[in-house]
Amino acid sequence: DAGVTQSPTHLIKTRGQQVTLRCSPKSGHDTVSWYQQALGQGPQFIFQYYEEEERQRGNFPDRFSGHQFPNYSSELNVNALLLGDSALYLCASSLGFQGVDQPQHFGDGTRLSIL
Amino acid sequence: GEDVEQSLFLSVREGDSSVINCTYTDSSSTYLYWYKQEPGAGLQLLTYIFSNMDMKQDQRLTVLLNKKDKHLSLRIADTQTGDSAIYFCAESKDSSASKIIFGSGTRLSIRP
Repeated sequence: DAGVTQSPTHLIKTRGQQVTLRCSPKSGHDTVSWYQQALGQGPQFIFQYYEEEERQRGNFPDRFSGHQFPNYSSELNVNALLLGDSALYLCASSLGFQGVDQPQHFGDGTRLSIL
Repeated sequence: GEDVEQSLFLSVREGDSSVINCTYTDSSSTYLYWYKQEPGAGLQLLTYIFSNMDMKQDQRLTVLLNKKDKHLSLRIADTQTGDSAIYFCAESKDSSASKIIFGSGTRLSIRP
């Protein structure tokens, strides 16, 4: 049973570019959440997708957008990259709104470096 | 407001017990978590506790919750070199659908 998988593992971009990160949830999960973890910090919630819609959003600018596909996989897009966007981006999946008390499962993350 | 605070560093001798402490501010938090992160890796869920519980034990791990003081602790018995990592305290309203609020992490180092 595959857990949460994220791609790519590492990515290097330059300022002003755009990036797309991908996440496949754990089998059977329907909800995907994205977190940003800057160096030396705890993860911060970006947004959550369920039924192909954004359900919750943290304090991140509109440059951060996402998408969820019918197979529950998700993408995180960041436009006009800034140096401060350098971070580990973590994806978590869960059975979000089924009334099931189970913890979210995290992937190993994509490490994004902005030059 | 939503805030989770924890000390930045802890150094423990191998074989001793480690106790990592955390405080949170949101009294409506329902779930409280401890995650472990090794260098270059993602987050590993160690254990979690419901807010209506006082204690949870799982092998070498013991979680204590003082809901009145909004204080959570993680005790690791017989600390080993493999326990060296960053430990994150976190909270959420529920386990599946709500965002998780993390502390900044406590770096645990083990000395021989």
